[in-house]
Formats: sequence, structure tokens, C-alpha cells
Amino acid sequence: GAVVSQHPSRVICKSGTSVKIECRSLDFQATTMFWYRQFPKQSLMLMATSNEGSKATYEQGVEKDKFLINHASLTLSTLTVTSAHPEDSSFYICSAIAPTSGSSYEQYFGPGTRLTVT
Amino acid sequence: AQSVAQPEDQVNVAEGNPLTVKCTYSVSGNPYLFWYVQYPNRGLQFLLKYITGDNLVKGSYGFEAEFNKSQTSFHLKKPSALVSDSALYFCAVRYYKLSFGAGTTVTVRA
Repeated sequence: GAVVSQHPSRVICKSGTSVKIECRSLDFQATTMFWYRQFPKQSLMLMATSNEGSKATYEQGVEKDKFLINHASLTLSTLTVTSAHPEDSSFYICSAIAPTSGSSYEQYFGPGTRLTVT
Repeated sequence: AQSVAQPEDQVNVAEGNPLTVKCTYSVSGNPYLFWYVQYPNRGLQFLLKYITGDNLVKGSYGFEAEFNKSQTSFHLKKPSALVSDSALYFCAVRYYKLSFGAGTTVTVRA
């Protein structure tokens, strides 16, 4: 199946700094990628939908100025957490859509990035 | 509106016993239903999906799920659980976007 990678897998940053997380579709072109946030032993919460070449669509309650998403190419989307604070510490998972046939598609998930803000 | 519910936070079974993880859904129209598994500090792994057709869906690692329209359920099952099946399981429904259930932690004891 299709592979989605994330980098880094873990990152520790100091409060007030920014950190960038990369999501790549390795063997397919993804016009749409999603960013999720997951707290320990909880479900995935969709943060935003990222479409190549256009602005991301953020879910209600997600600060777009804090979580900057850039989908610059068909294989790369980035999430930048700006001015990070300890409450931003979480597990961030990206996902990419790969078309199958007709209007059908499959959604593949990256391995996640553990962000710890100290 | 679309949603899924996983009524059990935890399921504990002995190795070799049958494993069932429950999921009910609410969606207008025909549902696209999924099961994913997540191991600690890892992303989601796809197990199986129901789009249309046979109500019994077979997936990865010996898992299967039965779509029951009258009960609006999509329970995940495995006839004989392994210790390595211990993980967090998510049911999800897709209309335009995937919506996940709260997750069920499965513990299989040796």
C-alpha cells in the first residue's frame, strides 16, 4: 500500500519557539492531506484539511495563525506550530489521500510526531 | 451528521479467546465504515473497511467485521486473540471526512 512518512518522529522544543513537522507521500501524489492531533489514549481530532496549492481549511476551534499549514507540492505538507506552549504538546498525525478508481480513494496515515514543549 | 460510538473504553480477553470490539454508527446515506489499530506512539494501521456488498468483511491480521444495518453496528471480531493484538482500536465513518470513535483499548493477557 501507499506510504506516508513524517519527520521528525519526536521533537522537544522550548516554550515560545516554533517547530515544523513534515508529512510526505512517498509513492503517490496527494492532492489532499489532513492533520490530526491526538492526546494520550484519546481519539484523533481533525485539525485541518490541506489542499495542494491552496490555503488549508481549519476545523472549528483550531487557531490558523498558531498552526500554519503549507501544502506546497503534491507530496509534501508541513505543519508549523508557532510560539509553542506546553499545552501544544501532543501527538500529531498526518494523513494523505490516494485516489483508487473513479471518485473512490483511500486514506493513509503517517506514523505520527510526538511534540513536547518544555 | 455522521458519528461513530465505541461503547467500551477497554476490552480484556485471554489469549486464544474470541475478541469483539463494538462500534455503532450514525450517518445519513450509505456509510463507509473503517477499523484502524494503533500501537503506542505509532500512527494508525488500516484493518478493514465496509463500502458495499457482503456484510462480513475480512481484513488484516485475522480480523473481520460484520456490518449490521438494522442495528447500525460494525463490530470488529477475531476468533482467537493474541497477546500482540493488545492495542488501541478505532472505528471510523467516512462521509466527506473521516470521523473517529473514542477508541477502545484492547488488552490480551497471556
